[in-house]
Order: sequence, then C-alpha cells, then structure tokens
Amino acid sequence: GESVGLHLPTLSVQEGDNSIINCAYSNSASDYFIWYKQESGKGPQFIIDIRSNMDKRQGQRVTVLLNKTVKHLSLQIAATQPGDSAVYFCAENWATDSWGKLQFGAGTQVVVTP
Amino acid sequence: DADVTQTPRNRITKTGKRIMLECSQTKGHDRMYWYRQDPGLGLRLIYYSFDVKDINKGEISDGYSVSRQAQAKFSLSLESAIPNQTALYFCATSEASQETQYFGPGTRLLVL
Repeated sequence: GESVGLHLPTLSVQEGDNSIINCAYSNSASDYFIWYKQESGKGPQFIIDIRSNMDKRQGQRVTVLLNKTVKHLSLQIAATQPGDSAVYFCAENWATDSWGKLQFGAGTQVVVTP
Repeated sequence: DADVTQTPRNRITKTGKRIMLECSQTKGHDRMYWYRQDPGLGLRLIYYSFDVKDINKGEISDGYSVSRQAQAKFSLSLESAIPNQTALYFCATSEASQETQYFGPGTRLLVL
C-alpha cells in the first residue's frame, strides 16, 4: 500500500541553527498535507498545513515546502530553540477515499543541543 | 482549559479485563477519532465518528469498540484486553469540512 515515510528518524540541531525535516509520500492523489509536533508526554500539536495547489507556506518560524514532482514534503524551522525538541510527524490526506483520512508517518525526533 | 481531554491519562490493567477510555471535547467539532501509537510507528486509526449516529471502523478496529454518547463525547472500549494492546491512545477531533485534526493529551495503557 501507499504510505508516508520520513527519511531520518533522529535529527540533532544546534540551538540557533535552522532545522529541516523531510517526508516522502507516495500517494499521488493526496491533496492535503499537515505537520504535527509531539512533545514528550503530550498529544500531537498542529504546526502547519499545505494543500497540493501550493508549493510553499509560511508560519511563525516554520515553512512547509511541497514538491509534487518527487512527492516530497519538508518542514523548516528557523532559529531552532530548545523548545523545538520533539517528535515531528507529517501526514497526508488520502483523497481517494470518500473522506479525508489522514495517513501518518512514523515521525522524526528532533534534538536541539546548546 | 484543554479543548480535548482524555481520561484516564494512565492505566494499568490485566489481560482479559474490560476497560474504557474516555474523550471529551469543547471545540464543538462533529468528527471524532481514536488512534493508537506504538513506538516507531505512526498513528493508526481505530475508529472514527462523523456525528452521534455515525460510527466507522478504522484500520485496526479488532478488539476495540466505541460509543459516541454525545457530540462532545467519544469513548473507546477494550472488551478483553490483551498485552499487545499496550500503547498510547489518542483521541482527536475535526470540523466536518476540514482535514485538520486536533489531538488530546493521550492515555498510556499497559496490559499485563
């Protein structure tokens, strides 16, 4: 079956640097993508989303890039802070279903070092 | 106050016991979901409900049942718990016409 996956299970970033978290997807029919942040002991928290008719979307310190040609999604975090340490999930909307089911990737652990 | 709450936050039970996990939301969303999370795996959908009279199985519904008591409440039951149901369980909600889902804090379940 088609699935969402992440390239790196763990990403170590120095405080102040930019982080880039990657995600590959294989369902060409997906039309909506979302990034979640999950801190230890907490539920996933919405960060940013993007629809397939866009290539880039910016939020506060975060940017999501979508490359439909190679089915790749990335989350960029500017000036990474200790509070950014968490697991980050990407998810895609399987539009082939009659409703928007979200398919989640396994997650990337981001560790911010001083 | 949290928009999506789950009780209990932690639960230890024995094999064969029936347990219920509860979820409440104050977001006014029609749709509610139950997921489980296992180490190294993404969230997997157990059941979902689009309104009080609508219940649907997800990809891993075997061994689970749900009840949508009201728009704001969606409970998950393990009829006869088994050790491989040890996991983190999350409830989520969404608006009827939106894909974005909002998650509760989770319930950590240990089945001995």
